[in-house]
Formats: sequence, C-alpha cells, structure tokens
Amino acid sequence: KAGVTQTPRYLIKTRGQQVTLSCSPISGHRSVSWYQQTPGQGLQFLFEYFSETQRNKGNFPGRFSGRQFSNSRSEMNVSTLELGDSALYLCASSALLANYEQYFGPGTRLTVT
Amino acid sequence: SQQGEEDPQALSIQEGENATMNCSYKTSINNLQWYRQNSGRGLVHLILIRSNEREKHSGRLRVTLDTSKKSSSLLITASRAADTASYFCATDAHPGVQGAQKLVFGQGTRLTINP
Repeated sequence: KAGVTQTPRYLIKTRGQQVTLSCSPISGHRSVSWYQQTPGQGLQFLFEYFSETQRNKGNFPGRFSGRQFSNSRSEMNVSTLELGDSALYLCASSALLANYEQYFGPGTRLTVT
Repeated sequence: SQQGEEDPQALSIQEGENATMNCSYKTSINNLQWYRQNSGRGLVHLILIRSNEREKHSGRLRVTLDTSKKSSSLLITASRAADTASYFCATDAHPGVQGAQKLVFGQGTRLTINP
C-alpha cells in the first residue's frame, strides 16, 4: 500500500495570505488527523475527520479549518497567516479510530515571512 | 498543557548500550503509543500498549505501562546509530463527537547514539 502523502512538501507564504495543504491517506483509511509541530509547542492536534465529518478538534483559532472529501482525502486551510503559523504540518491516517495506530505523512513545511 | 511528558528531554549514549525513556501522563487512558521521528520527517509508529497491559515487546523495543503511576517507559536494547531520533509518547484523551478520541503527544526525548 502507498503511504500517506502530503502536498506540497515545502511552502513559503507572506503574512496575511492563506494556504491550503493536502493529504491523501492510506487506501482504506477513513480517519485523517492533522497536527502542527513547532520547536516551542511541540506536536499539537488540530482536528480529525472521519467520513467527511469533523469528529474532534484542538485549541486553534478559527483561521485553521479543514475538510474531508468522500474519497477520504483531506485538506486544511489557514487564513490570514501569521508568523507564528510557521511550522511542520503533519497529516496522519488510521483505519477507524484516531487513538489507534496512526500512519503519518512526511509533512508540509510552511514558512511565513 | 501536554498530556504526556517525556523524560529525559535529551539522551546521548554509546552504540550498543540500552536507552530508556519515560513518559508520564495526567488522565486515564485507553492506550498509550510510542512514535519515532527522524529529523524533520513524519512520525513512525513503534508500539501501542493498552491500558490493561503491563508490558509489550517488539524486536529490540520493550514498553511498560503502570496505570497506577500514570507512567510508561520505552527501552531500546543494543542501540544502533540508526536509532538516533526523537521519541514521543502519545495518549488518547478528550473525547469529541461520537466519543472519538484524539492523540495527545508529549514533547519528546531526543536520543543520540554515538558510534
């Protein structure tokens, strides 16, 4: 099986812009979770989608949003980018439940200038 | 604050030695997982231990779980240079819709294996 893929791998944006990141889970996996990783805050949970429904969300402002399509692919969007949004954004998929074994993609490195 | 806290934050040992990392958490859990991350890359799942299990092995990895102390340890035996990475524990917490759990990660232990 192909692993979790994320596009793009690297992205440079300026403050105030918006960005959309994409994640394709492992075939057959219906749960997709997103995480933000920074040196200061570590790995923080953003949200989880299952069958196109957001099942759980972390403590992030409304500028962070996501969605999942019928083929389980997921996107996350960050609007009005701030310098502090610079991070590695990781997507992970699991077969059914987000608290079981998760398979991570390589991440998207976002730099906001 | 993070649900899981790893200790130590950094560990440097010689190749061939054993490495032990600890994780403490705050609330009751269904399971606890350990992941490895090589620099700037995605995480790789190592092992999952359920709350009713006390010990689990996988190759050179041994994980213990003490729910009374809310702590877990990861032991890597006969370490190799390729084991150099950051290691994270993750616990499930905070039910969302339909009781769905999410994973909460600790800050990680940076392990360096010196040849």
